[in-house]
Amino acid sequence: GAGVSQSPRYKVAKRGQDVALRCDPISGHVSLFWYQQALGQGPEFLTYFQNEAQLDKSGLPSDRFFAERPEGSVSTLKIQRTQKEDSAVYLCASSGRLGGSGANEQFFGPGTRLTVL
Amino acid sequence: ELKVEQNPLFLSMQEGKNYTIYCNYSTTSDRLYWYRQDPGKSLESLFVLLSNGAVKQEGRLMASLDTKARLSTLHITAAVHDLSATYFCAVRGKLIFGQGTELSVKP
Repeated sequence: GAGVSQSPRYKVAKRGQDVALRCDPISGHVSLFWYQQALGQGPEFLTYFQNEAQLDKSGLPSDRFFAERPEGSVSTLKIQRTQKEDSAVYLCASSGRLGGSGANEQFFGPGTRLTVL
Repeated sequence: ELKVEQNPLFLSMQEGKNYTIYCNYSTTSDRLYWYRQDPGKSLESLFVLLSNGAVKQEGRLMASLDTKARLSTLHITAAVHDLSATYFCAVRGKLIFGQGTELSVKP
């Protein structure tokens, strides 16, 4: 399909391990967002890219969280030295084809469910 | 700090009944989004509301936006079981989400 894809869908990590979560946005989408969704809560913004530029990382909870999008397409969210409180679903969304409408509707991927033991 | 509040947070409805979910936000936003999330699934876009007075309808769902009151409503008409899900409203570009309304439609 042509939607946003994320991998892995499920990840179990031992406390202290590093993890890397991948997002493939919709082809041609300029903007890419990462959100964290704790159980029973609404998603919370983590970081935002426009092409390869990370324009806003104000939602990253600590310096253990790092995101990149080196070629302006695929993005990776890396969490170092995972802690139990990092357990959540990590959602990626993309929007904004060049020349598209102004709605900037975000299309979400299926998410990666991270469990830290 | 921008806050988005939904009410109710939990809604148990009978099939065939009508109800409204409310979404209030604390500062100006020129657009508002409604999403649906089924258990264990990602978010599905329902509506994008771009201007004051905007109204959009899809099937049994109708959404409206009053930017002056900083209020959006999601109205459900003649609910059916298939509408059972959690509904989120969100504002701004880096989306700020409400807490979600968990809707359960019972026969």
